[in-house]
Amino acid sequence: AAGVIQSPRHLIKEKRETATLKCYPIPRHDTVYWYQQGPGQDPQFLISFYEKMQSDKGSIPDRFSAQQFSDYHSELNMSSLELGDSALYFCASSQTSGAASSYNEQFFGPGTRLTVL
Amino acid sequence: GQNIDQPTEMTATEGAIVQINCTYQTSGFNGLFWYQQHAGEAPTFLSYNVLDGLEEKGRFSSFLSRSKGYSYLLLKELQMKDSASYLCAVRPTGFQKLVFGTGTRLLVSP
Repeated sequence: AAGVIQSPRHLIKEKRETATLKCYPIPRHDTVYWYQQGPGQDPQFLISFYEKMQSDKGSIPDRFSAQQFSDYHSELNMSSLELGDSALYFCASSQTSGAASSYNEQFFGPGTRLTVL
Repeated sequence: GQNIDQPTEMTATEGAIVQINCTYQTSGFNGLFWYQQHAGEAPTFLSYNVLDGLEEKGRFSSFLSRSKGYSYLLLKELQMKDSASYLCAVRPTGFQKLVFGTGTRLLVSP
């Protein structure tokens, strides 16, 4: 079965640089979520999109922005990177409308490990 | 706000049974999820509870008491590959996002 695809898997940047993380949800999933997981921490919700519109916003810094495109893939743009931005960034997707499962469970991608030097 | 608590670490022996508890205090509730996460990997879905009671899926069972703000994940016939972190996550009312607990690191020894 198709899974959530994230690219790149690893990214190394310097302070004050910019980074773009990409997420390709499972086909027919209409909702995409972004989470940040620091070392030894639980995943923290950043932002989500439903049918290409922002549906919820969490603890996402103003330096970060995200969008979902017409093909449902999503990109997380990060500017003025700081050392504290080093983390695993997970994208997850779910089928919210007309879901076969009432769980609306989120399926997570493999993550992008961002290291800021 | 949301507050979700789990024990930080647990150890158990191969073949044994272990129960991982989760307590939550949320401003709304629209379901509780358990995820398994191996180090450096993505969380994978284990179970979902929205009504009180026990849900069983093979070696894994999850229980929910909404009035007590309490859930547990029960793992039976433990295997070495069950060594991982187990994340309790609540979906607040009206939102789809998940609010994760601190996670419980389970170590299964021979």
